[in-house]
Amino acid sequence: TQLLEQSPQFLSIQEGENLTVYCNSSSVFSSLQWYRQEPGEGPVLLVTVVTGGEVKKLKRLTFQFGDARKDSSLHITAAQPGDTGLYLCAGNNAGNMLTFGGGTRLMVKP
Amino acid sequence: ETGVTQTPRHLVMGMTNKKSLKCEQHLGHNAMYWYKQSAKKPLELMFVYNFKEQTENNSVPSRFSPECPNSSHLFLHLHTLQPEDSALYLCASSRLDHRATNEKLFFGSGTQLSVL
Repeated sequence: TQLLEQSPQFLSIQEGENLTVYCNSSSVFSSLQWYRQEPGEGPVLLVTVVTGGEVKKLKRLTFQFGDARKDSSLHITAAQPGDTGLYLCAGNNAGNMLTFGGGTRLMVKP
Repeated sequence: ETGVTQTPRHLVMGMTNKKSLKCEQHLGHNAMYWYKQSAKKPLELMFVYNFKEQTENNSVPSRFSPECPNSSHLFLHLHTLQPEDSALYLCASSRLDHRATNEKLFFGSGTQLSVL
């Protein structure tokens, strides 16, 4: 069984602060996806990273895929209340079977 | 609006009831999924339908019965559920390429199920 560990599980910060959340595994993935889920909604895809060492930026969000394709990080600069939600990473190793991590629940206070 | 619609949004049922969850996708995708999301547990894949054929059921109890009549519709029939089955049930769809690899999942808003 491939497991994805996300840390921290919970994070509460003030508006304007920076933060990093992590997604770690002992398994290698061909690609890794990050989703954000807001209360009462399903997860929405933010980004897919494919190449080891790849860095992708989405406005204030920076995603990095580890060189060995076993881990990933999400860094948010100057967090805003609209960033509040559950951040999920999901690894793809073959076909259409995604393995999801437990998520990081982020709250950004105004 | 993700293009994946789930009904009902909320459902309360007794352990002896029979109910069905419905999912419809308007994205022209060829794969559909049922996921279970419980508190403090990662998203659990329950069923996968590729091109209307079930390819994965992940040892889900038989009290959950999926049905995929066409590539746009997916149902989850529920019968004699247990209180521990209370969770958010999410439907998703995706487009598989010729190698059956996944582009990305589009999720519905889910059905919040409470079993009394």
